[in-house]
Amino acid sequence: QVQLQQWGAGLLKPSETLSLTCAVYGGSFSDYYWSWIRQPPGEGLEWIGEINHSGNTNYNPSLKSRLTISVDTSKRQISMKVTSVTAADTAIYYCATATKLSAAGRRYFDYWGQGSLVTVSS
Amino acid sequence: EIVLTQSPATLSLSPGERVTLSCRASQSVSTYLAWYQQKPGQAPRLLISDASNRATGIPARFSGSGSGTDFTLTISSLEPEDFAVYYCQHRSDWPLTFGGGTKVEIK
Repeated sequence: QVQLQQWGAGLLKPSETLSLTCAVYGGSFSDYYWSWIRQPPGEGLEWIGEINHSGNTNYNPSLKSRLTISVDTSKRQISMKVTSVTAADTAIYYCATATKLSAAGRRYFDYWGQGSLVTVSS
Repeated sequence: EIVLTQSPATLSLSPGERVTLSCRASQSVSTYLAWYQQKPGQAPRLLISDASNRATGIPARFSGSGSGTDFTLTISSLEPEDFAVYYCQHRSDWPLTFGGGTKVEIK
């Protein structure tokens, strides 16, 4: 059973850097990729990117130029930084992971953090 | 990027009714598609994986079908706790993308 607990600054000004951290409890930290997903208020879900324990990453091209996802295996934590934020980055940010291997050999998001509301406002 | 288009955007239904939600992909995703349910103030919950396999603990009234570009989530008889927003998501290639969601609301 995996539990994800996340935290970070909730109010930012335009041009500042968004920084969030997600701690992983339970499960095997080295077996999975760990993702960040965001949801603007009242809108749909956007996958931001993912990282594994070795630091291998996949990023969404829409954010790639401003995004850094990192891992600290000793603390079982993943972190995300988004630079030069604007109001368009206002969203609930989730860390999530996909642990179970499906019959078709794919993994889907079965564990989610509690979500962190980040508001960008001057 | 694979675009997932969900329809309709909103459905107004009564408990006990049958629901059919649609998700269409801009290119084939084979069966690498999931459905999630999200209630207000909560993270999404995985319902269906690989287009048609119910996740652990998901009631049998939820079923998924489809392959390639056209997918359907069916709720055979709506329970009060099923009123929520439903999203599809593919796992075919990067970037992973979600559909825009279908809100199932009480009529």
